[in-house]
Amino acid sequence: DQQVKQNSPSLSVQEGRISILNCDYTNSMFDYFLWYKKYPAEGPTFLISISSIKDKNEDGRFTVFLNKSAKHLSLHIVPSQPGDSAVYFCAARGNRSQGNLIFGKGTKLSVKP
Amino acid sequence: NAGVMQNPRHLVRRRGQEARLRCSPMKGHSHVYWYRQLPEEGLKFMVYLQKENIIDESGMPKERFSAEFPKEGPSILRIQQVVRGDSAAYFCASSRGVQETQYFGPGTRLLVL
Repeated sequence: DQQVKQNSPSLSVQEGRISILNCDYTNSMFDYFLWYKKYPAEGPTFLISISSIKDKNEDGRFTVFLNKSAKHLSLHIVPSQPGDSAVYFCAARGNRSQGNLIFGKGTKLSVKP
Repeated sequence: NAGVMQNPRHLVRRRGQEARLRCSPMKGHSHVYWYRQLPEEGLKFMVYLQKENIIDESGMPKERFSAEFPKEGPSILRIQQVVRGDSAAYFCASSRGVQETQYFGPGTRLLVL
């Protein structure tokens, strides 16, 4: 049973437009959420995070929105650039004392020039 | 400030051999996490260690797998008597504290023939 779900395996967006990546979770005890970006043959790179006490966090072109009642978060990238093409993973922290992350399966974003 | 380092980057083993994967955390980080990624899947938590202590090994297979993080030197993930199903990418992450952001290494790609 997947506690963190990314239901879109892939997403294609035109350069300059907005990319919206979605993530759903089932465990209401999750208190912290993160987005990582991954290029082939590399490790995940931290992008942005949000605490469960907030509903929005912004960092440059990246904004994460959290809707706790819907158990849903999304990552907005605007404007999208070809270099943003990668696999994006949503992750949730399950336990404040243990810290292990629970990952979704990822969404492959392709930004076309 | 060097990031998380993992070696080797690629490892080929025959069934029944042992695999040793090494991880050096970022400077100043004393928390280490190991994750495994199977093809087309997200990362799955295996084990969380602090210096000389295993904090959480709930994601580790009960047999053949072990991990350590000695007082001196890198963290080691050891897989004994490897089988084909162990073929995967193994990622190490480190953090300054249990509630701090985890930063990932480039991974070790293990192929079992």
